[in-house]
Amino acid sequence: KQEVTQIPAALSVPEGENLVLNCSFTDSAIYNLQWFRQDPGKGLTSLLLIQSSQREQTSGRLNASLDKSSGRSTLYIAASQPGDSATYLCAVENSNYQLIWGAGTKLIIKP
Amino acid sequence: NAGVTQTPKFQVLKTGQSMTLQCAQDMNHNSMYWYRQDPGMGLRLIYYSASEGTTDKGEVPNGYNVSRLNKREFSLRLESAAPSQTSVYFCASTLGVNEQFFGPGTRLTVL
Repeated sequence: KQEVTQIPAALSVPEGENLVLNCSFTDSAIYNLQWFRQDPGKGLTSLLLIQSSQREQTSGRLNASLDKSSGRSTLYIAASQPGDSATYLCAVENSNYQLIWGAGTKLIIKP
Repeated sequence: NAGVTQTPKFQVLKTGQSMTLQCAQDMNHNSMYWYRQDPGMGLRLIYYSASEGTTDKGEVPNGYNVSRLNKREFSLRLESAAPSQTSVYFCASTLGVNEQFFGPGTRLTVL
């Protein structure tokens, strides 16, 4: 059974720092991996989607990598800003087109 | 283009009451999903519909029923609400093996 783990559960850093969020999964047979952002009391917004054949995706200050063989993905945020404060979730899509989710990392960027 | 909409946004029920959560999308997506999100946990799939006229159970279907009314609408029904169903419910849709788009969520409390 696929399990997705995100460590740490919470992270607080000063504004301007570069940071890395981690996501690990137990079964490498995935179609893709997605990173989402969730703001308090709101829905989820897709940030990046990495297909299983890809190694990384970039969008602005965000870069996500995927290493299927080791069951790991990282989300790199450059030059963090207070507006980046949110919960970040990763999810892997299995062969049944279902997403299996991590519990998220709550990120706080201190001004 | 409203994306994915959900009603209601908040609901309080007494144990044993029934209710239906409504979801609609205007992006002509084939697949629709219902998730629940509990504190400290990742999202868990309740039911999904890969296309109009089909529905399948997800990870936690007990106590719920769904209806894919047409391509746009996918409803979730609680026939006899229990305190364990207190959660935030999200509806999502996707065109295929692509990113999922989420509604703003319904916060349900069962007393």
